[in-house]
Amino acid sequence: ELKVEQNPLFLSMQEGKNYTIYCNYSTTSDRLYWYRQDPGKSLESLFVLLSNGAVKQEGRLMASLDTKARLSTLHITAAVHDLSATYFCAGGQVQGGSEKLVFGKGTKLTVNP
Amino acid sequence: DADVTQTPRNRITKTGKRIMLECSQTKGHDRMYWYRQDPGLGLRLIYYSFDVKDINKGEISDGYSVSRQAQAKFSLSLESAIPNQTALYFCATSSSDGELFFGEGSRLTVL
Repeated sequence: ELKVEQNPLFLSMQEGKNYTIYCNYSTTSDRLYWYRQDPGKSLESLFVLLSNGAVKQEGRLMASLDTKARLSTLHITAAVHDLSATYFCAGGQVQGGSEKLVFGKGTKLTVNP
Repeated sequence: DADVTQTPRNRITKTGKRIMLECSQTKGHDRMYWYRQDPGLGLRLIYYSFDVKDINKGEISDGYSVSRQAQAKFSLSLESAIPNQTALYFCATSSSDGELFFGEGSRLTVL
């Protein structure tokens, strides 16, 4: 059974700084997803990582996937206040020929001025 | 209009009452899901359906049931609500590539 662990669970950082959120998963996962959730809001898809070595970037966020290490990272460059949110990673688990997602507990990011 | 619509958005009810949360989607996806979100626990899968005739239990299905009335509609029922079912509930859809698209959430409080 796939398990997904994120760390840290809480992250407070200053504007302009860099940081990385880590997502480890326990068994083979076909793909890895990153989502963002603003307080009281729904989840918004950020990245879908499909293969080993995949790297995707959008603005100040960059996600990567290392399937051998069973690790995905979400790197934040020069953080700004608007990035404050909770970030979830999710691993894809194939069951019965179809895939469903298993989520980590989320990392609550607060970017301070 | 949102691609995935949940109703009601907020509901307060009493222990023992029957509650239905409804979800409809205009994305044309075959796959639909119900997740529950609790603080510090992330999202946990309650039920999922890969087509109209397919219903599958997730990791926390006890106390819940679902109905897939049509490709676009997937409802979640609590037959006899209890306080520890107080949570934020999300409906989601996906195509075969697995990427989920979420509704706005339904906040349920059971007193």
